[in-house]
Amino acid sequence: EAGVTQFPSHSVIEKGQTVTLRCDPISGHDNLYWYRRVMGKEIKFLLHFVKESKQDESGMPNNRFLAERTGGTYSTLKVQPAELEDSGVYFCASSVTGDFPYGYTFGSGTRLTVV
Amino acid sequence: DQQVKQNSPSLSVQEGRISILNCDYTNSMFDYFLWYKKYPAEGPTFLISISSIKDKNEDGRFTVFLNKSAKHLSLHIVPSQPGDSAVYFCAASSDSNYQLIWGAGTKLIIKP
Repeated sequence: EAGVTQFPSHSVIEKGQTVTLRCDPISGHDNLYWYRRVMGKEIKFLLHFVKESKQDESGMPNNRFLAERTGGTYSTLKVQPAELEDSGVYFCASSVTGDFPYGYTFGSGTRLTVV
Repeated sequence: DQQVKQNSPSLSVQEGRISILNCDYTNSMFDYFLWYKKYPAEGPTFLISISSIKDKNEDGRFTVFLNKSAKHLSLHIVPSQPGDSAVYFCAASSDSNYQLIWGAGTKLIIKP
């Protein structure tokens, strides 16, 4: 089966610009998660979708970040306007309901660099 | 405040010897503890886990030990192999939500 796909794999943007990250979960996985790792630090939770609904967005850093999952399939994470501290690796993961915490499958991540 | 801590940024071990990676946590409400392995340019992959009601779980060369009184867990890899060179993350969760709380990772280097 295809894994969790994220693109782009890398993005370099200037401060103040907008970037949109995309995640395609494993087909049939209702749960989709976004995490972020800032250079060398711990991976931090951003938010959790169940199908198209935001179940928990307590980790979203501020209102410059907007996540959507229209139709309950792929998800996008938009950063607008980007700031230097938004640099990091953004990971997406998906799982089947009832499979937590063992069933997470992660994508390879998007490395975002804001200059 | 960091609820899960991995205090060793890196660890170097001779091939064939035992690797011991450590993790401390502060939240006594955690129900599950997991270890993930991460290669460069890849996402974390699940390695082994332990429930808070157990003190040991073993899977092949990998064993995780949990000391609840000390709020400490460790991952033992024996014997260590070159392919084990990676960053290892400790993560924890509770039944009340679907978040994983992560440590900062330990880079394990296996020397030939």
